[in-house]
Amino acid sequence: AQKVTQAQTEISVVEKEDVTLDCVYETRDTTYYLFWYKQPPSGELVFLIRRNSFDEQNEISGRYSWNFQKSTSSFNFTITASQVVDSAVYFCALSQGLNAGNMLTFGGGTRLMVKP
Amino acid sequence: DAEITQSPRHKITETGRQVTLACHQTWNHNNMFWYRQDLGHGLRLIHYSYGVQDTNKGEVSDGYSVSRSNTEDLPLTLESAASSQTSVYFCASSAELSSSLTDTQYFGPGTRLTVL
Repeated sequence: AQKVTQAQTEISVVEKEDVTLDCVYETRDTTYYLFWYKQPPSGELVFLIRRNSFDEQNEISGRYSWNFQKSTSSFNFTITASQVVDSAVYFCALSQGLNAGNMLTFGGGTRLMVKP
Repeated sequence: DAEITQSPRHKITETGRQVTLACHQTWNHNNMFWYRQDLGHGLRLIHYSYGVQDTNKGEVSDGYSVSRSNTEDLPLTLESAASSQTSVYFCASSAELSSSLTDTQYFGPGTRLTVL
């Protein structure tokens, strides 16, 4: 069985602060994919990033960065210089095997509130 | 532009009624999925399909059914709606890149279902 835990249910920061969203996963598979999705107040789910289990290289995309550490089974997401538009619920998810499109196991989500 | 749509976007029904939620994608994706989103649980998989005439049960399939008669559509049916099925329902699809590789899942806008 696989499991994704997002221990932070809600985080509140002031604009321009840096914030890290934690994601810890459990799986018996040696090959898997990890994902982050964003759900803004409008409700849709927006794909942000995927990482396969063989690629532990950290990734940076603008103000967003992701830290994948197999040793601690974590895939954390950092927003630098947060903005009000970053306010959303963020989901971490896991799929088994090498197929990125396999069924997903989601964490419970972290609601991020960025105040002006 | 290719897309994935869900209808209706909002639905109110009564306990015991049969309800069908539609999901339609124009990407020609082989793989389609239904999830439900509940507070504190993230998204949980209900049913999924890897192609026409293929359907499989997910984590929370009791009380739900799907059928796949063509590539574009995967309708979700609640046989006898219950108040516990009040939720937001998301459809997703992913492409099959080869016989062993599939792409990331992309989600529809969601359907908010209330069962009174």
